[in-house]
Amino acid sequence: GQNIDQPTEMTATEGAIVQINCTYQTSGFNGLFWYQQHAGEAPTFLSYNVLDGLEEKGRFSSFLSRSKGYSYLLLKELQMKDSASYLCAALDSNYQLIWGAGTKLIIKP
Amino acid sequence: SQTIHQWPATLVQPVGSPLSLECTVEGTSNPNLYWYRQAAGRGLQLLFYSVGIGQISSEVPQNLSASRPQDRQFILSSKKLLLSDSGFYLCAWSVEPAGGYNEQFFGPGTRLTVL
Repeated sequence: GQNIDQPTEMTATEGAIVQINCTYQTSGFNGLFWYQQHAGEAPTFLSYNVLDGLEEKGRFSSFLSRSKGYSYLLLKELQMKDSASYLCAALDSNYQLIWGAGTKLIIKP
Repeated sequence: SQTIHQWPATLVQPVGSPLSLECTVEGTSNPNLYWYRQAAGRGLQLLFYSVGIGQISSEVPQNLSASRPQDRQFILSSKKLLLSDSGFYLCAWSVEPAGGYNEQFFGPGTRLTVL
């Protein structure tokens, strides 16, 4: 079967760094997405990785290892507005997104 | 620029009543369209997707149905709602770019409560 695993909840301090991990098992693989979702709102796109390595976008970076079926989202210089759920989703061989349940990130002052 | 609209924003319906949620996309042609449901504190569950007018694929057997009467209109319906239909319903669109991946863009969502 197809499966995405990510932690249910994480807590971090304002100004610190946090890494949210995601492991995936899919029928074929065509890339991995990270989305941010604030409570009560729709998800918004953060990043896409299809090749191994690190992609950096300002305070956010995303890493992919295809051989390990593993990705992480790295958030630096955390701000209170980063409190949200972070959804990991893998694109399978049919170009369908398989979604994780999301990681709720709580930022404390 | 492309925009996606969903309505209503919130809905409270009794068990057994019908449902119709509408989604429209502007600024793009022949998009792929998706309906998702998200239960409280859970991930996204794909309900239906459509690659063209009248073409609907169902991912999960349930008492819901979807239709695409026009290129940029996607409708989610039910004849009789169940308590378990409560959730946050999200419509999304994507296109098939030459680059090969289809980032999905989400509408604002409809929060449905079935009592």
